[in-house]
Amino acid sequence: NAGVTQTPKFRVLKTGQSMTLLCAQDMNHEYMYWYRQDPGMGLRLIHYSVGEGTTAKGEVPDGYNVSRLKKQNFLLGLESAAPSQTSVYFCASSYGRRELNTEAFFGQGTRLTVV
Amino acid sequence: DAKTTQPTSMDCAEGRAANLPCNHSTISGNEYVYWYRQIHSQGPQYIIHGLKNNETNEMASLIITEDRKSSTLILPHATLRDTAVYYCIVRAINTGTASKLTFGTGTRLQVTL
Repeated sequence: NAGVTQTPKFRVLKTGQSMTLLCAQDMNHEYMYWYRQDPGMGLRLIHYSVGEGTTAKGEVPDGYNVSRLKKQNFLLGLESAAPSQTSVYFCASSYGRRELNTEAFFGQGTRLTVV
Repeated sequence: DAKTTQPTSMDCAEGRAANLPCNHSTISGNEYVYWYRQIHSQGPQYIIHGLKNNETNEMASLIITEDRKSSTLILPHATLRDTAVYYCIVRAINTGTASKLTFGTGTRLQVTL
């Protein structure tokens, strides 16, 4: 049971390049989330998904796109990277059913630098 | 979701109890209090949560005031490995939408020898 796995762990991009961050969970969770964390700040929600085939915007969605084609995977895309997107990105997942009041599990993060 | 207020930082001697306060004066009846911690840029880790009763697990205890406007996370015997940023979050779980976790800046707990 690996939990939540993020790929890659580190990446350096040039301004304007594109990339996709992959999040995979093996806990059969319905909900998945992408957060970013900048130095000295808490996590901010970028996008989230309440189930396969569905996505929704979070607090800071601009410049990012997401897809949830399979229940276990949640992809975060940057179409044209900007230096302001330099950050640490965390993926999380949790049960979505109301009666299961359970916690969210987080991946170990992807450190992205845009130069 | 209701906002929370936490002290920016706290110190605690190893072996002593660490008591981390959180104010959530605008909490609603359907909102739970969750605590997470983040150790040195790792992914946040769940600690405990509660609605109105005090809760205890192998990691910590959560004390919620009767009016639910504040709570305290207690680490009974802090160790150096408990040095981390602790986040208090209030979260509605019966909203019909994703129960998003809204993180503030948390309390940086430094455990010292």
